[in-house]
Amino acid sequence: ETGVTQTPRHLVMGMTNKKSLKCEQHLGHNAMYWYKQSAKKPLELMFVYNFKEQTENNSVPSRFSPECPNSSHLFLHLHTLQPEDSALYLCASSQDRRLSSGRAYEQYFGPGTRLTVT
Amino acid sequence: AQSVTQLDSHVSVSEGTPVLLRCNYSSSYSPSLFWYVQHPNKGLQLLLKYTSAATLVKGINGFEAEFKKSETSFHLTKPSAHMSDAAEYFCVVSGFQKLVFGTGTRLLVSP
Repeated sequence: ETGVTQTPRHLVMGMTNKKSLKCEQHLGHNAMYWYKQSAKKPLELMFVYNFKEQTENNSVPSRFSPECPNSSHLFLHLHTLQPEDSALYLCASSQDRRLSSGRAYEQYFGPGTRLTVT
Repeated sequence: AQSVTQLDSHVSVSEGTPVLLRCNYSSSYSPSLFWYVQHPNKGLQLLLKYTSAATLVKGINGFEAEFKKSETSFHLTKPSAHMSDAAEYFCVVSGFQKLVFGTGTRLLVSP
């Protein structure tokens, strides 16, 4: 496997279900990101991890719970979602932001998980 | 603060004609700039990046972009469109420890 992989690619879940999205990067990066992409809306940054530590949470509802057990893996745990949470969830990775003296490095994205909440 | 404005939400071209996707940026310091492409139901793929070296940047699939500081622009061009270029294109500026994405330009390519 190369680059950034995400599983599953498609997920349909009811509002009472619990599911998890998985992301894995094979690029040797130390920063990982979750984004939400909804139709007709700008890309929304949800969470950022640097060296397994969460460094950013952009006011994301608690029904989304991220986990980063190591620098290569990132999870997004989902529970009691709402229909408006239906979207494409993208994972990305980059070099460690803290070493960049402020300027962000380019990010490499996975193919995304298309989530539908019924 | 850093920001980008993509001046067109949709651009339509015929196959074999030039492509121009426009982007203006705002940055309080010398920026890094990127173009990403997203095909339907796929992730974002890095097309090219500018990081204060040459102002004309060449990317993948025949795309290039020119950094013009005086115009605060970073327009994406390609001499001859191909059907496979139909996608959404995002102009991105590096903010403080994060990337700032434009709203995207959808490129439509007709035969």
